[in-house]
Amino acid sequence: RKEVEQDPGPFNVPEGATVAFNCTYSNSASQSFFWYRQDCRKEPKLLMSVYSSGNEDGRFTAQLNRASQYISLLIRDSKLSDSATYLCVVNRDSGYALNFGKGTSLLVTP
Amino acid sequence: SQTIHQWPATLVQPVGSPLSLECTVEGTSNPNLYWYRQAAGRGLQLLFYSVGIGQISSEVPQNLSASRPQDRQFILSSKKLLLSDSGFYLCAWSVLGDQPQHFGDGTRLSIL
Repeated sequence: RKEVEQDPGPFNVPEGATVAFNCTYSNSASQSFFWYRQDCRKEPKLLMSVYSSGNEDGRFTAQLNRASQYISLLIRDSKLSDSATYLCVVNRDSGYALNFGKGTSLLVTP
Repeated sequence: SQTIHQWPATLVQPVGSPLSLECTVEGTSNPNLYWYRQAAGRGLQLLFYSVGIGQISSEVPQNLSASRPQDRQFILSSKKLLLSDSGFYLCAWSVLGDQPQHFGDGTRLSIL
């Protein structure tokens, strides 16, 4: 089983739609979780950390389900500018590095 | 605030030539440093990481090497590039290993 698994998509949604991505992780001892955004041919950028109680940042909501070992990202009222690849990230056992998922591609259309 | 600089942005090299990519971080001390490669349409592959000066951990055996001669400097090298070394090379830093990583702009390397 891969450390971090994501549906690669692509997810094609119209502007204004709500879209959700899920990610599963294999290490039950993981403590740190993040979502990154990567635009085409650019570096990944931190979108938000994911906390146990769930957290929200504007139109973005992240949830963590430790029992089922999955993380979700919900985007409300999608904008054209949300089109990107979203990477799910979980810390490693060793504590020295992070495991990045391969990403879920989102395309928001007019 | 902290910044990370990575250069060059684009590089075209012939097969068999050497490589040196440099990354520097400003505004923080003793960061964890990382080198990743991303092949076209693929995910991030961790190549090396370092938790201190002179300390390098290699993730994948290959013809690349890394060095950390100073606290905030991380260098990726190769003596002889292969066609398979083409890709998008990213340097990143973090305060601790389980904290968010912050990436440089990346170097797009093409091998001819």
